[in-house]
Amino acid sequence: QVQLQQSGPGLVKPSQTLSLTCAISGDSVSSDFAWNWIRQSPSRGLEWLGRTYYRSTWYNEYAVSVKSRISVNPDTSKNHFSLQLNSVTPEDTAVYYCARWHHYDRYFDSWGQGTLVTVSS
Amino acid sequence: DIVTTQSPLSLSVTPGEPASISCRSSENLLHTNGHYYLGWYLQKPGQSPQILIYSASNRASGVPDRFSGSGSGTDFTLTISRVEAEDVGVYYCMPALKTPHTFGPGTKVDIK
Repeated sequence: QVQLQQSGPGLVKPSQTLSLTCAISGDSVSSDFAWNWIRQSPSRGLEWLGRTYYRSTWYNEYAVSVKSRISVNPDTSKNHFSLQLNSVTPEDTAVYYCARWHHYDRYFDSWGQGTLVTVSS
Repeated sequence: DIVTTQSPLSLSVTPGEPASISCRSSENLLHTNGHYYLGWYLQKPGQSPQILIYSASNRASGVPDRFSGSGSGTDFTLTISRVEAEDVGVYYCMPALKTPHTFGPGTKVDIK
């Protein structure tokens, strides 16, 4: 059974970079699934941010709202994937989740525990 | 982007009674393979969301059979045949036909 364990700072200063990592156990980041970041805030609800997946080569897809600031990257040596969100503002304050996407049946079947990230000076 | 609405946005249910939540998508969720790609998730208090129903009507592994999904086109329904105390939380529908994935606003269910 796959498990996703998130790590990263809970406080980031405005204009800096938010960085989170999602460690995978019970699966490989290079498997048939896609690896996603989703955030949740009272103002935006659940918001999908982006994903990475492997189909003979690595692909990424990002939400338009954050496309200029986001990077989701796999690390095959550590079997994890990461989120980097640049130039954060207080509007990026949210609970961030990593999640595995079941490619064929099209649903998020496993979620990380969530990380509250506050953007504040 | 697909816009998703849900109704009602809150629901108070007596244990043992049925409950239904509606979800409407701005686009038809029928894939060329004949499947409707719509998922239902439950976020229990203090927890991450969890999948209940995928492809509109398929129960995920371990989900009690009191949960069922139905619908087609742009209109879908989640039904709980007999609500139990452990079913409290916020229910979200999410069209899964394409990215970007956009969740509905959520329906908060509590127990009377």
